[in-house]
Amino acid sequence: SQQGEEDPQALSIQEGENATMNCSYKTSINNLQWYRQNSGRGLVHLILIRSNEREKHSGRLRVTLDTSKKSSSLLITASRAADTASYFCATDKAAGNKLTFGGGTRVLVKP
Amino acid sequence: GAVVSQHPSWVICKSGTSVKIECRSLDFQATTMFWYRQFPKQSLMLMATSNEGSKATYEQGVEKDKFLINHASLTLSTLTVTSAHPEDSSFYICSAGDNRYEQYFGPGTRLTVT
Repeated sequence: SQQGEEDPQALSIQEGENATMNCSYKTSINNLQWYRQNSGRGLVHLILIRSNEREKHSGRLRVTLDTSKKSSSLLITASRAADTASYFCATDKAAGNKLTFGGGTRVLVKP
Repeated sequence: GAVVSQHPSWVICKSGTSVKIECRSLDFQATTMFWYRQFPKQSLMLMATSNEGSKATYEQGVEKDKFLINHASLTLSTLTVTSAHPEDSSFYICSAGDNRYEQYFGPGTRLTVT
């Protein structure tokens, strides 16, 4: 079963704008990860944030984690058409353990 | 990063036949592999966890006799969809872990059962 939901389910923005998506989960976690999936392709790992971390950056990506609210957000700054994809959060309860995915956010970046 | 391959990338089969999908970790030894299924415009649903040399652990609601998993070596796990039916048509994705935090995903296999 899915750990939680992602919000919004779909997002359409213009190139250069920022894209923000949120992920909520239900049980305690060890790590939360964000993945990107281009249509019909496998998953690309974007960023991992541990349960004792609150914010993490990687290039144009910024991830926050609020364990008290059981939620995380992914911000993509200065979006590009190539950022068009589905984005999924996934949680695990221990290193090497199975991942539970959120419902995903489909992002469309219009040139 | 580590590379995981899947073969085939797509397959079409007739209803009632069996299909085998391979998942290989190319440059590391994967003690654990995971099999996911993804329907169009939906998220990934974990089917089973495969450990090298032992029986797979299936998620609730997944028929172990229908989805046979074999993890014969530290670099290969196979998923066999037995007596496939049209409702088994889906995108099957494997991932491999090396007991650290990150899992490495294969490119997926699209199965169409006619």
